[in-house]
Amino acid sequence: AQKITQTQPGMFVQEKEAVTLDCTYDTSDQSYGLFWYKQPSSGEMIFLIYQGSYDEQNATEGRYSLNFQKARKSANLVISASQLGDSAMYFCAMREGQGDNYGQNFVFGPGTRLSVLP
Amino acid sequence: NAGVTQTPKFRILKIGQSMTLQCAQDMNHNYMYWYRQDPGMGLKLIYYSVGAGITDKGEVPNGYNVSRSTTEDFPLRLELAAPSQTSVYFCASSFGGSGEQFFGPGTRLTVL
Repeated sequence: AQKITQTQPGMFVQEKEAVTLDCTYDTSDQSYGLFWYKQPSSGEMIFLIYQGSYDEQNATEGRYSLNFQKARKSANLVISASQLGDSAMYFCAMREGQGDNYGQNFVFGPGTRLSVLP
Repeated sequence: NAGVTQTPKFRILKIGQSMTLQCAQDMNHNYMYWYRQDPGMGLKLIYYSVGAGITDKGEVPNGYNVSRSTTEDFPLRLELAAPSQTSVYFCASSFGGSGEQFFGPGTRLTVL
C-alpha cells in the first residue's frame, strides 16, 4: 500500500489565485511528521513547510499553509496568491516514528505538477 | 555555508563499471541520506546514516553501498552499474531524524 498518495498528477491555477494540492498518508504511528517540498524545473529540492502529528495548529509559512486533518489522514498544501514562479513539482513526504531512530521511514509521494497561468 | 554539495553533477557509465558519488555537508548535521529519483517519480530512500560509523538500508539499497567515516561526508558506491540505476541521485542531511532535510543539487547518472 502506498504510504503517501497525491491524486493530482497535474494542476493548473491562474496567477494570484489560491490552489490546494492534495496529500493523504497512511501510518499506524502516533508520532510522525509531514513535509512538503518544491522541485522547480532546475531540479533542486526546496523545503516548504512541516507539520508534526501532535501540532494542534495548522502550519503556515508565508504564502504556504498546510491543511492538516488528522482523522482523515490528509495534509493538503494551500498556496495563496499563486505566482508564476510557483510552477513546479510539489512532493508530500512523511517521516514516521518517535524518537531519533526512524531515518529509514521517510517516504515521498509521486508528486503533483503545478502550472501557474498568467 | 556551502550546505550540501554533491559531485559529480553528471556522469555516464557503461554497464558493469563502478563509481562513487560524493556528498558532503558543512552544517554539522548528524543525519545524512541518499535518495534516487526516477523520471516522473518521487524520491526513494537508498541508504541513510544517523552519525559517523552508523549506516542502514532504506527502501531500495540493492546495488549500492555507503560508508560514513566522518560527520561531513557520506559517499555512495555503485558496484557493477546496471541500466536500472539510471536516475538522479540526491544526498540530503538533517539535524536529527525529525528535522527538515537539506538537499544537495543532485547527480544525474546514466548507465548505458
